[in-house]
Amino acid sequence: DTAVSQTPKYLVTQMGNDKSIKCEQNLGHDTMYWYKQDSKKFLKIMFSYNNKELIINETVPNRFSPKSPDKAHLNLHINSLELGDSAVYFCASSQAQVGEQFFGPGTRLTVL
Amino acid sequence: AQKITQTQPGMFVQEKEAVTLDCTYDTSDPSYGLFWYKQPSSGEMIFLIYQGSYDQQNATEGRYSLNFQKARKSANLVISASQLGDSAMYFCAMREDYNFNKFYFGSGTKLNVKP
Repeated sequence: DTAVSQTPKYLVTQMGNDKSIKCEQNLGHDTMYWYKQDSKKFLKIMFSYNNKELIINETVPNRFSPKSPDKAHLNLHINSLELGDSAVYFCASSQAQVGEQFFGPGTRLTVL
Repeated sequence: AQKITQTQPGMFVQEKEAVTLDCTYDTSDPSYGLFWYKQPSSGEMIFLIYQGSYDQQNATEGRYSLNFQKARKSANLVISASQLGDSAMYFCAMREDYNFNKFYFGSGTKLNVKP
């Protein structure tokens, strides 16, 4: 069973489009995250949710909107995609205050 | 100030030799956790090892050990008997207990194991 899953794995789209990435974890964790990894491999946290509540919202354009329908799911919707949004987006989860983060396989977003 | 610093963008090691990947951290929280992750070329992030700030002993997991020097605020990863499959990016990360929802990641070290 996959612990943290993301769909789609690859996403190629045109500038200006709106797209969503879905994430699900079956670990029973309280906290979920979205990270962006750029071409230099730097991992930047974007959002963190704890029990469906937004906890961390780093300096991210408001074209990015996370949604957590329940504590097992955290989706990322991106409006008006720009070239600079091209990156790998990772979803992760952890149990609050305990243990490591478990990462999803990543979604490679390419904006043309 | 950077919370996690990895000063080696790239490293080479001969197969079967040991290698140390450096990591220093910055925190004023007395309680925190340190983590190492491996990212092979296939892209997934794989958890390797964890060290708690109050742990008396250095963490070990198979061929991985964490050389934890609290006074120096360093948490170096030691890989013994390197294998070709160890070639990957390695990330050091920290979580402070007062803000436990946030993990700080370093910029990574690309390790190449030579046959």
